[in-house]
Amino acid sequence: EVQLVESGGGLVQPGGSLRLSCSASGFIFNTYSMHWVRQAPGKGLECVSAISNNGGATYYADSVKGRFTMSRDNSKNTASLQMRSLRAEDTAVYYCVKGAWFGELESWGQGALVTVSS
Amino acid sequence: SSELTQDPAVSVALGQTVRITCQGDSLRIYFATWYQQKPGQAPVLVIYDKYNRPSGIPARFSGSSSGDTASLTITGAQAEDEADYYCYSRDSSGNHLVFGTGTKVTVL
Repeated sequence: EVQLVESGGGLVQPGGSLRLSCSASGFIFNTYSMHWVRQAPGKGLECVSAISNNGGATYYADSVKGRFTMSRDNSKNTASLQMRSLRAEDTAVYYCVKGAWFGELESWGQGALVTVSS
Repeated sequence: SSELTQDPAVSVALGQTVRITCQGDSLRIYFATWYQQKPGQAPVLVIYDKYNRPSGIPARFSGSSSGDTASLTITGAQAEDEADYYCYSRDSSGNHLVFGTGTKVTVL
């Protein structure tokens, strides 16, 4: 069974930093791209970042480019999202997602809430 | 703003058929995938590569595409199908990933 468990969410002040982690199990991690998709309260979905199976390619939405960095450690079956210069509009539930590079988003974690507020 | 447009809400009588559409120029080139999200839960993939269903997704869910519009059809809607539905694909440049604006489906 595929399991994706996010950690690292919480409350942070505007301008601050936070690192989300995703621990994966139940599949061959290094054969899948990983994604972070967020959902602001009461709003729709936004794919903010993706990383290819070997980490050689990354994608960032314009809204986070230059502030967020995604990485993965295939030896530990983990993916991470380093978030800097956080803004109120970054407040959202962040989902870790297993999927295909620029393709379908197959399996989703339960999400981690990030709140940016003073 | 999203380049994939969906109707904000649709309703369907129990057991009847409802079609949810997703419109965008990029869909003339790229496939759409579809996700179901129930309140308080993570989204679930229901259709990929235009019309394929993952294992465990009921056969009443089907996908299709024509021109600039992708569609998700629920044939014989059940109460448990009440949810938000999102399409997902690339934008018209092909370089950005975008979700549709979402459609809330109510089963009457």
